[in-house]
Amino acid sequence: NAGVTQTPKFRILKIGQSMTLQCAQDMNHNYMYWYRQDPGMGLKLIYYSVGAGITDKGEVPNGYNVSRSTTEDFPLRLELAAPSQTSVYFCASGGTYNEQFFGPGTRLTVL
Amino acid sequence: AQTVTQSQPEMSVQEAETVTLSCTYDTSESDYYLFWYKQPPSRQMILVIRQEAYKQQNATENRFSVNFQKAAKSFSLKISDSQLGDAAMYFCAYRAGTYKYIFGTGTRLKVLA
Repeated sequence: NAGVTQTPKFRILKIGQSMTLQCAQDMNHNYMYWYRQDPGMGLKLIYYSVGAGITDKGEVPNGYNVSRSTTEDFPLRLELAAPSQTSVYFCASGGTYNEQFFGPGTRLTVL
Repeated sequence: AQTVTQSQPEMSVQEAETVTLSCTYDTSESDYYLFWYKQPPSRQMILVIRQEAYKQQNATENRFSVNFQKAAKSFSLKISDSQLGDAAMYFCAYRAGTYKYIFGTGTRLKVLA
């Protein structure tokens, strides 16, 4: 049981490049989430999903896209990367007792 | 709109002493959940404790306990017998029926040997 896994752990992008952050969970959770954490700040919700095929925007969705074709996977797509997207990205899945289980995070730098 | 406020950016505690971290929230919901998460330097977010709003009894997990005051919309975390491994950022979080979680800005806890 790996929990929530994220790849890659680190990535440097040039302005205008695109990439996909991968997230997978093996706990059969319906709910999955993407957050970003800027330095010294809390977590801001980018997108979330309540089940396969269903996604919705969070607080800061601009510049990102998601898809949820399976229960296990919830990738986050960055199109046309900008320096403002430099952050640490966390994926999480929702547990039985409403707690969230987090992945280890992806540190993204856009130069 | 729901908000979560942590008014203490940083706290310090002597090893083996007790410390209380504050959290207040604003909501018009009657049914919701509250959480404290710990984020050590490894960045991994770890659930410390949860509280269901419909439960009057304060949650406890070993050395960690909460003081949940529903009318005052307050949810503080007490850490007893503080250990060096407790040093981390602590985030208070709120969740209602929309499945969205709202996090506070965090409190950095330093534990002094």
